[in-house]
Amino acid sequence: GIQVEQSPPDLILQEGANSTLRCNFSDSVNNLQWFHQNPWGQLINLFYIPSGTKQNGRLSATTVATERYSLLYISSSQTTDSGVYFCAVVPYSGGSNYKLTFGKGTLLTVNP
Amino acid sequence: KAGVTQTPRYLIKTRGQQVTLSCSPISGHRSVSWYQQTPGQGLQFLFEYFSETQRNKGNFPGRFSGRQFSNSRSEMNVSTLELGDSALYLCASSYPTDTQYFGPGTRLTVL
Repeated sequence: GIQVEQSPPDLILQEGANSTLRCNFSDSVNNLQWFHQNPWGQLINLFYIPSGTKQNGRLSATTVATERYSLLYISSSQTTDSGVYFCAVVPYSGGSNYKLTFGKGTLLTVNP
Repeated sequence: KAGVTQTPRYLIKTRGQQVTLSCSPISGHRSVSWYQQTPGQGLQFLFEYFSETQRNKGNFPGRFSGRQFSNSRSEMNVSTLELGDSALYLCASSYPTDTQYFGPGTRLTVL
């Protein structure tokens, strides 16, 4: 099956710093989403981005589908950005678009 | 619009028992997917239901089953619980949007 690798596994920042999280995937994808898992376990949808670039406030994401990677940028980080960030994909197989394969996540800690 | 809801939020069971978890999707969404999250295996796909039919299934034993009702609400059942079934169970709703929206999860502890 498709492999999803996220880097770095852990990241510690001071409040106000910028960061880039990376997601590499081993096959073409139909669907790629970035999530933030809050301390209570809920996965918050950040971006649906199988290709191209999107921005939402301090967060932006870019997926280069031909090179099989996606980047999540966090600018001017805040303590509330702490948590685990997951990348999840659905391979381009012609089947259901809803069977997500997740990476292992990046644990982000933002210190005040 | 209300988000995805899951009940119960927390559950404690003993080995050998069975459990049923419920998920109500976002209004208008017709696909419901279930995922299991454990510290060792991460987030893994269990199954997906669309229009009351199971469309996809992950690599889990037959003790894990599910169903979807005509109003798109879904239930998953785990029979003969094992210690290793302790996990956070998440459901997600989608379609017609391709974006999956997750509920708050049910945290199951098996003693």
